Amino acid sequence: QVQLQESAPGLVKPSQTLSLICTVSGDSISDGDYYWTWIRQHPGKGLEWIGYIHHSGSTYYNPSLKSRVSISVDTSKNQFFLDLSFMTAADTAVYYCTRVPIIRGVIDTWGQGTLVTVSS
Amino acid sequence: EIVLTQSPGTLSLSPGERGTLSCRASQSVNSNYLAWYQQKPGQAPRLLIYGASRRATGIPDRFSGSGSGTDFTLTISRLEPEDSAVYHCQQYATSLWTFGQGTKVEVK
Repeated sequence: QVQLQESAPGLVKPSQTLSLICTVSGDSISDGDYYWTWIRQHPGKGLEWIGYIHHSGSTYYNPSLKSRVSISVDTSKNQFFLDLSFMTAADTAVYYCTRVPIIRGVIDTWGQGTLVTVSS
Repeated sequence: EIVLTQSPGTLSLSPGERGTLSCRASQSVNSNYLAWYQQKPGQAPRLLIYGASRRATGIPDRFSGSGSGTDFTLTISRLEPEDSAVYHCQQYATSLWTFGQGTKVEVK
């Protein structure tokens, strides 16, 4: 059974870059059948899709975040990564890594989520 | 960008009653690429419905989805206390996936 686990930086200072790691177990990122994605949820709010990566390296980002986002993958470690630059208080949220079967297009597996707080 | 609007904001019902949740899209969702997720407090969301009406693996048949175009519905028949949660709809018809703001269901 596949499991996803986000790293936990916790607190980030304004203007800094958030770096998150998602470690995948029970499945290989190199399996070409999936998009590996990041989603966030502001406190008490709805969900916001950040972007996704395929093991080939192809990516797609939410246009509202595109200038600040980078998603990458390390298939040898079975991990994928999120970098979000120029963090502000508005980026305080729970960040989830997820798996999306390409053929189905919906999120079938979620990490537990990690709360990232932006504060000096 | 397809904007999804969910209603009502909160639904309070008793066990055994039927719950009807709405998700309206700002433009037609092609191929009915509309999903529903359930999120309990402190947990990640869980996939309930995809393709507007297909139940995900292990989801009880009292959860059903319907609709097409711009209007979609999640129906929970015979509500149980464990169904208390926030329900999110999501469209994946376009490259920019978007979610509704969620409907909170209280069963008590």
